[in-house]
Amino acid sequence: AQSVSQHNHHVILSEAASLELGCNYSYGGTVNLFWYVQYPGQHLQLLLKYFSGDPLVKGIKGFEAEFIKSKFSFNLRKPSVQWSDTAEYFCAVSTTSGTYKYIFGTGTRLKVLA
Amino acid sequence: GAGVSQSPSNKVTEKGKDVELRCDPISGHTALYWYRQSLGQGLEFLIYFQGNSAPDKSGLPSDRFSAERTGGSVSTLTIQRTQQEDSAVYLCASSFNTGPREQFFGPGTRLTVL
Repeated sequence: AQSVSQHNHHVILSEAASLELGCNYSYGGTVNLFWYVQYPGQHLQLLLKYFSGDPLVKGIKGFEAEFIKSKFSFNLRKPSVQWSDTAEYFCAVSTTSGTYKYIFGTGTRLKVLA
Repeated sequence: GAGVSQSPSNKVTEKGKDVELRCDPISGHTALYWYRQSLGQGLEFLIYFQGNSAPDKSGLPSDRFSAERTGGSVSTLTIQRTQQEDSAVYLCASSFNTGPREQFFGPGTRLTVL
């Protein structure tokens, strides 16, 4: 069965620090990959997505992610975080056949200290 | 255009009562998904509808949960005899049935079972 692992459950950083959140998935076939952000009290918002092509994907608010197929990974990065990036981040994977349902990771809570 | 809408935004109910949650997908989206976000289980898939095909109910946690989609558009998720562990945010998403089938999420319904 598909699964998605986010190894960092809680991350605390100071403003201007660099961020990398890990995401690994288990599935042998072709996948679509997503990162979502959920700010406190708000609903899910898409940060970026990968379907095919360039494995380095740029999203909103300065975030980017790199798909490394050989490592089944899709890590999220940001060179310099801001206090406003405090939120919970979810990695999600869907297959490219069948229902295309999303399998989500357990999420990473990021706290950025001003 | 309008996004996915869900109602009510909040629902408080007593244990044992039945509740209905509504989802209006984006116009033209034939695929519709329900997910649940809870403290203990994270974000999990519940059910998937695609056109007139039989739904994929593989994620429903018990037979107290059911969903229907009338006329290929609006969907209702029904929870019978609610339990405290049903307290969660119920998310609806919709997508086209072609291409990568990127899902667009609604704001969710926060269900609290007392």
